Amino acid sequence: SQTIHQWPATLVQPVGSPLSLECTVEGTSNPNLYWYRQAAGRGLQLLFYSVGIGQISSEVPQNLSASRPQDRQFILSSKKLLLSDSGFYLCALYWQGGAYGYTFGSGTRLTVV
Amino acid sequence: GDSVTQMEGPVTLSEEAFLTINCTYTATGYPSLFWYVQYPGEGLQLLLKATKADDKGSNKGFEATYRKETTSFHLEKGSVQVSDSAVYFCALIWGVQGAQKLVFGQGTRLTINP
Repeated sequence: SQTIHQWPATLVQPVGSPLSLECTVEGTSNPNLYWYRQAAGRGLQLLFYSVGIGQISSEVPQNLSASRPQDRQFILSSKKLLLSDSGFYLCALYWQGGAYGYTFGSGTRLTVV
Repeated sequence: GDSVTQMEGPVTLSEEAFLTINCTYTATGYPSLFWYVQYPGEGLQLLLKATKADDKGSNKGFEATYRKETTSFHLEKGSVQVSDSAVYFCALIWGVQGAQKLVFGQGTRLTINP
């Protein structure tokens, strides 16, 4: 079965500092990968998705970027964090053989102070 | 693009009460529909799904029926338990084969009191 590893679980960063959140997957190859953000009191917003190595689609203009340097690695980054970047970040994978099954990581709670 | 709208929360009920969480969607075509649940301190889990009109998804006593005529996928449970306290997300998949996206509603926080 597919599993997703996300780290760290919690992170407190000052405004203006850089960010790097990593997501790695096991048990599948060539999955679609996604970054979602859940801001306080809001639903899950799709930020980025990737259908393959080096292929990134951005859903909303923002202060963040994503990269997929390897098939099973998806990285969310920022050069300078804003207060509005605070939230709960979830990595997810979708595998064609999974019969509509999405698997989610455990998430990273980011607080920008 | 496609979108999902859920009833506003939070919802607070007593144990053994009947639960309905409304979900409606806007989509071109016929998307697959899902309910996900997020228990306190945990990640998202798939609760149930329906892939075509009139399908009924069910799991753990929860049910939802894909209603094409009303573009709805309301979540119901006949008798809730304290352990059902969680945030519930309605979602749909849209997009072309190979580039599907899971689009979520805003989530509904459910609290069940003993």
